Amino acid sequence: DVKVTQSSRYLVKRTGEKVFLECVQDMDHENMFWYRQDPGLGLRLIYFSYDVKMKEKGDIPEGYSVSREKKERFSLILESASTNQTSMYLCASSPGAGGYEQYFGPGTRLTVT
Amino acid sequence: GIQVEQSPPDLILQEGANSTLRCNFSDSVNNLQWFHQNPWGQLINLFYIPSGTKQNGRLSATTVATERYSLLYISSSQTTDSGVYFCAVFRATSGTYKYIFGTGTRLKVLA
Repeated sequence: DVKVTQSSRYLVKRTGEKVFLECVQDMDHENMFWYRQDPGLGLRLIYFSYDVKMKEKGDIPEGYSVSREKKERFSLILESASTNQTSMYLCASSPGAGGYEQYFGPGTRLTVT
Repeated sequence: GIQVEQSPPDLILQEGANSTLRCNFSDSVNNLQWFHQNPWGQLINLFYIPSGTKQNGRLSATTVATERYSLLYISSSQTTDSGVYFCAVFRATSGTYKYIFGTGTRLKVLA
C-alpha cells in the first residue's frame, strides 16, 4: 500500500513566523503535490514537483515556496505566515510516467493567529 | 480550462438507501479518480477509472469518456459512508499535466 505521511495533523503558528510542512511518501513516486483546501473553494494546487529538485507553480503559489531535495520528501514553506494562510494543507504523490493515480496524506490543519 | 461539476452538491439518505453521484467534465481527459473525504479530512482513493465500470464492495463507478461523465453508485448506504465525495480528472497536454477537482458532493447518511 502507498503511504503518504505529513509531519503534523494540527499546527498553530503566529503571524510572521516561517512555517515548514513536510510530506513523505514511501512508494518511489516521481510526482508530489501540495494543495490547500478551504470551505467553498475546494482543493487548489499550490506547487508540484515531478522530480528531485524540480518544481512547478500551481494555481496559487504566492506566499509559498517548496523544496524537494530527496525523492521521497516534499516540503512546503510559508516564508512569513499570514492569517489568510489558515487552511487545511494536503500532500499527494503519484507514480508519474508509469501512472497518474494520486494518493493523499492525512492533511495538516494550520491555524495562523 | 477544463470544468468539473458534481451533482448533487448535498445529499441526505437513510441508512440502507442507494444513491448515484455524478461528475461531468467539459473536455477530454486522460483519467479520472473518485475520492471519499472522511470527517478527519483524509482523502481516500475509491476508484481510478478512465473508462468502463469498476466495483468494490457496495461501491461501483462508471465512466463514459466519450460523453464526458462519470457516476459513483453507493448501495445499501451506511453511516460510515458520510463525508464528501470528490471526482478529479487528469489531463496531459504538451508535456505538462494537470489534476482538476470537482467541488464535491456532501453525503450524510442517517441511522
